[in-house]
Amino acid sequence: GQQVMQIPQYQHVQEGEDFTTYCNSSTTLSNIQWYKQRPGGHPVFLIQLVKSGEVKKQKRLTFQFGEAKKNSSLHITATQTTDVGTYFCAGQRVTQGGSEKLVFGKGMKLTVNP
Amino acid sequence: DVKVTQSSRYLVKRTGEKVFLECVQDMDHENMFWYRQDPGLGLRLIYFSYDVKMKEKGDIPEGYSVSREKKERFSLILESASTNQTSMYLCASSPYPSRVSYTFGSGTRLTVV
Repeated sequence: GQQVMQIPQYQHVQEGEDFTTYCNSSTTLSNIQWYKQRPGGHPVFLIQLVKSGEVKKQKRLTFQFGEAKKNSSLHITATQTTDVGTYFCAGQRVTQGGSEKLVFGKGMKLTVNP
Repeated sequence: DVKVTQSSRYLVKRTGEKVFLECVQDMDHENMFWYRQDPGLGLRLIYFSYDVKMKEKGDIPEGYSVSREKKERFSLILESASTNQTSMYLCASSPYPSRVSYTFGSGTRLTVV
């Protein structure tokens, strides 16, 4: 079945550094969503990308959907300690029953050295 | 704001007990989901429901069942709890169609001893 792979699984950066994390799907996605889970918290929706090649920004976070709609990236500029957490990407999958549901990647855990 | 409320934040149960995890949402969402989250394994879907009394198995349904008698409430049942079911359980909901964001509850950390 459809899988969503995130790389890297762990990322440790120095405060102020930029970095990028990636999400790859084995099949074409109708849309991709990104969530953030703070330590001790629950996943919170960040953004959804729908169109091929779409780029969206939220302050220091830039999200991109690949041209083939099979991959996505999250770029964080000038990382801050408030960025700490686990970032999940999720793609839509049609089940055998015909309903749709999100398939989540395993997440990318970000730690920041102040 | 949509609210998804899970009845317990922490729960400790004994092996073999029948365990009920409750989830209630207040925004009339059609879809509701139960996930478990374990370190290194991400979010794994146990069961979901797209309407009252409707349910569909997720990726890891073994050892679990669900109940959705009312639209706002989705219960996860561990028929006979085992230690390998110790985990964080997250409930989520979304409107139909589901090409929109999920709203998660705060989670229930279940320990089976």
